[in-house]
Amino acid sequence: GNSVTQMEGPVTLSEEAFLTINCTYTATGYPSLFWYVQYPGEGLQLLLKATKADDKGSNKGFEATYRKETTSFHLEKGSVQVSDSAVYFCALPSETSYDKVIFGPGTSLSVIP
Amino acid sequence: DTGVSQNPRHKITKRGQNVTFRCDPISEHNRLYWYRQTLGQGPEFLTYFQNEAQLEKSRLLSDRFSAERPKGSFSTLEIQRTEQGDSAMYLCASSQGQMNTEAFFGQGTRLTVV
Repeated sequence: GNSVTQMEGPVTLSEEAFLTINCTYTATGYPSLFWYVQYPGEGLQLLLKATKADDKGSNKGFEATYRKETTSFHLEKGSVQVSDSAVYFCALPSETSYDKVIFGPGTSLSVIP
Repeated sequence: DTGVSQNPRHKITKRGQNVTFRCDPISEHNRLYWYRQTLGQGPEFLTYFQNEAQLEKSRLLSDRFSAERPKGSFSTLEIQRTEQGDSAMYLCASSQGQMNTEAFFGQGTRLTVV
């Protein structure tokens, strides 16, 4: 069935560093792909999504491109801030139901001043 | 509307006791989802409702688990005869339409079974 694999964390970066969090997926067809973020003490939030191959999702300076050739959806940001410290989850719908989202294990990011 | 609200935020219970959690979704949202998240893992789907109808249940949802959404508004998740393996964060989310549009999550209820 559909699944995602994320790079393991934790990831620690200095402020203004470049961020990449790798995500690869296995899927039937070409489902939408998502990145969710969980800030400390808060609920999960949708950060960005891409609905078809070659789409680029973007939000708050983060970007991810849906690449079917490499089955990847890597999250990038050119210059991280302390406020970006959070856990990031790559996700996609299950092969049987768009209402059932499958999440990766999450990658914890800490940005230090 | 202040978003998805879950109560209680924390629950400690003894093994074998029953617990019930409540989720109040965003008022105009017709879909409501329950997920479970253990430490270091991503959320795992448990079940979801469209209005008051429970449309799908995961195999993770054993017979000890039951969820309801009686009037298509708030939902409850009950765990009977809790076990230590039930210790987790229980997340609720709601959306207007399918989850691949955008779902809004609550802060979760953290259950500890001792």
